[in-house]
Amino acid sequence: QVQLQQWGARLLKPSETLSLACGVHGGSLSGYYWSWIRQPPGEGLEWIGEINHRGSSNYKTSLKSRLTISQDMSHNQFFLNLSSVTAADTAVYYCARGFWSGVFDYWGQGALVTVSS
Amino acid sequence: DIQMTQSPSTLSASVGDRVTFTCRASQSISTYLAWYQQKPGKAPELLIYKASTLQTGVPSRFSGSGSGTEFTLTISSLQPDDFATYYCQQYQSYEWAFGQGTKVEIK
Repeated sequence: QVQLQQWGARLLKPSETLSLACGVHGGSLSGYYWSWIRQPPGEGLEWIGEINHRGSSNYKTSLKSRLTISQDMSHNQFFLNLSSVTAADTAVYYCARGFWSGVFDYWGQGALVTVSS
Repeated sequence: DIQMTQSPSTLSASVGDRVTFTCRASQSISTYLAWYQQKPGKAPELLIYKASTLQTGVPSRFSGSGSGTEFTLTISSLQPDDFATYYCQQYQSYEWAFGQGTKVEIK
């Protein structure tokens, strides 16, 4: 059974960098697409970006200048870095596996990241 | 970018009801549409992909249909476990986009 486990800092100040990691257990990064999706409190879902097993990435255009998604194949982990955060970046952040690009069959538990001065 | 619009935003129904809700895309997405169920405080779960293919383990009371720009999700007989928020999502072209959700409430 595939499980995604997330970790990272949960409380940030404006202008800091949001860094989250997602570990994949019971499976491999190979052959799949790995996304980050966020959900502001009380709102809907927003896809942020994706990296595939070949290391190619696609990002939401509005976040592209601040966003990096990377992976460590040897440790079955992938990462989110979002720089220069503001209160608008406050959200629950999910990592997710795409068995097709864009179809998310396994999700992490979610991590509430709060940006506040 | 493709925009996804769901209706209604909220639906009140009773156990045993047949419920249907709609998702519209701002341009044709063929059948590159997925549906997810989300319960409070939990991650979404995949129900349907390719507009009508049921994900493994999802009860058969869930069904999806549509192509192009208009899609529906139907629950044939609403169960207590089905009270949740449902999101559609297009994956025809980047950027992947979700609808704003339909919340199914107890009547």
